[in-house]
Amino acid sequence: SQTIHQWPATLVQPVGSPLSLECTVEGTSNPNLYWYRQAAGRGLQLLFYSVGIGQISSEVPQNLSASRPQDRQFILSSKKLLLSDSGFYLCAWSVQSGSHAAFFGQGTRLTVV
Amino acid sequence: RKEVEQDPGPFNVPEGATVAFNCTYSNSASQSFFWYRQDCRKEPKLLMSVYSSGNEDGRFTAQLNRASQYISLLIRDSKLSDSATYLCVVTLFMDSNYQLIWGAGTKLIIKP
Repeated sequence: SQTIHQWPATLVQPVGSPLSLECTVEGTSNPNLYWYRQAAGRGLQLLFYSVGIGQISSEVPQNLSASRPQDRQFILSSKKLLLSDSGFYLCAWSVQSGSHAAFFGQGTRLTVV
Repeated sequence: RKEVEQDPGPFNVPEGATVAFNCTYSNSASQSFFWYRQDCRKEPKLLMSVYSSGNEDGRFTAQLNRASQYISLLIRDSKLSDSATYLCVVTLFMDSNYQLIWGAGTKLIIKP
C-alpha cells in the first residue's frame, strides 16, 4: 500500500532562517506531488505541484521554492523565512494518470518567530 | 467568483440529527468529485468519492448534480466524532494535467 511521510511535525524557526521540509512517498511510482499551505481557519492554498523529477510548477509568488530530486521525494525550501510564512504545510500525492484524489502527509506546523 | 464554494458554517447540530452540506462548482468541465474530512490541526483525509449515480457509505451519502453543478454530503444519525471540517474537491483538466480545486470547507460541530 502507498504511504506518505512528511517531517518534521512541528517546527519553530526565527525570521530570516532557512527552511527545508521533506516529503517522501512509498508504494507508488511517478506520482503527482503537491505542497499546500493552510493558514489557521482557512482553506488549502496550493504552493507547488510536480508531475515528475525536476518538474515544478509554482502557483503563487513567494519566497519559497520546491524541488523534486527523486521520483518520490519532494522538498520545500526557503532561504530566509518571513513571519508570514507561518502556517500548516501539507504534502500530498496523487496517481498521475486520470482524475484521482490526493492523499496527504501528517503536515508540518511551522511557526516563524 | 470562487471555483468551488462551500458554506463555511459552523453547523451546530445535535447528536443523532441528519445534516447536509452542499458544494457548488463553477466549471462545467469538472471531472471528478470528492469529499474530505479534516480534523482540527490534522491533515485532510479522503472521506468518499462522489459518483454520478450517487453513492453511500454507511451513514454518509454523496450526490452529484451536474446540471446544477453541485455536490452534496448527507450525514445521518450524526455522532460526536463527526465533528470536523468537510472539504469538497473537484478535478479539472488544465495545463496538460488534472488539477485539484478545493473548497474552503464547512465546519461541523455535533453537540451532545
